[in-house]
Amino acid sequence: AQSVTQLGSHVSVSEGALVLLRCNYSSSVPPYLFWYVQYPNQGLQLLLKYTTGATLVKGINGFEAEFKKSETSFHLTKPSAHMSDAAEYFCAVTGSGTYKYIFGTGTRLKVLA
Amino acid sequence: AAGVIQSPRHLIKEKRETATLKCYPIPRHDTVYWYQQGPGQDPQFLISFYEKMQSDKGSIPDRFSAQQFSDYHSELNMSSLELGDSALYFCASSLEGGMNTEAFFGQGTRLTVV
Repeated sequence: AQSVTQLGSHVSVSEGALVLLRCNYSSSVPPYLFWYVQYPNQGLQLLLKYTTGATLVKGINGFEAEFKKSETSFHLTKPSAHMSDAAEYFCAVTGSGTYKYIFGTGTRLKVLA
Repeated sequence: AAGVIQSPRHLIKEKRETATLKCYPIPRHDTVYWYQQGPGQDPQFLISFYEKMQSDKGSIPDRFSAQQFSDYHSELNMSSLELGDSALYFCASSLEGGMNTEAFFGQGTRLTVV
């Protein structure tokens, strides 16, 4: 079985400040981990993914995430927040032999001017 | 690049009516997923198909059914609609059941049941 926990349903940061969105996962098989972003009334857009290999992965719009197996975490970071980063962010997990992506409950990021 | 196409984008139905949502995956993708997202909620997995066979099933009501056709497009059929079925329904597609790759999502169909 797989599950995802996102700590903090709402996060506010000042423009230019560090963004840190937390994601912890549980998986009975080696996980594939993803971060998706959703703007209002839009679909889900992939930010980045971890499948195998390098544990620090870089995505679009300056985001990156680090897979830490010992901590079962996959936190999303961005060094400097931009107003356009305001959106809902979802962490998701899938794995070999599964045919579904399990999403966390999402974190709404607000960027303050 | 081609994306996942969903139709219609918006649908308004009355209680107890039926609705059919369509999903056209990215070319050569063989796996399709359906999700339901209520207001302020995370996407909830409904059902998936791999190579035209049901591959996994989530919290899909018995009133709903789905299938994947020979051209890999998929349809979600919803009967006896209830007010609580109002939500954004996403379809996603991937290659080989998501092995080593991500799911690509469509823009969704917003279903409103009145």
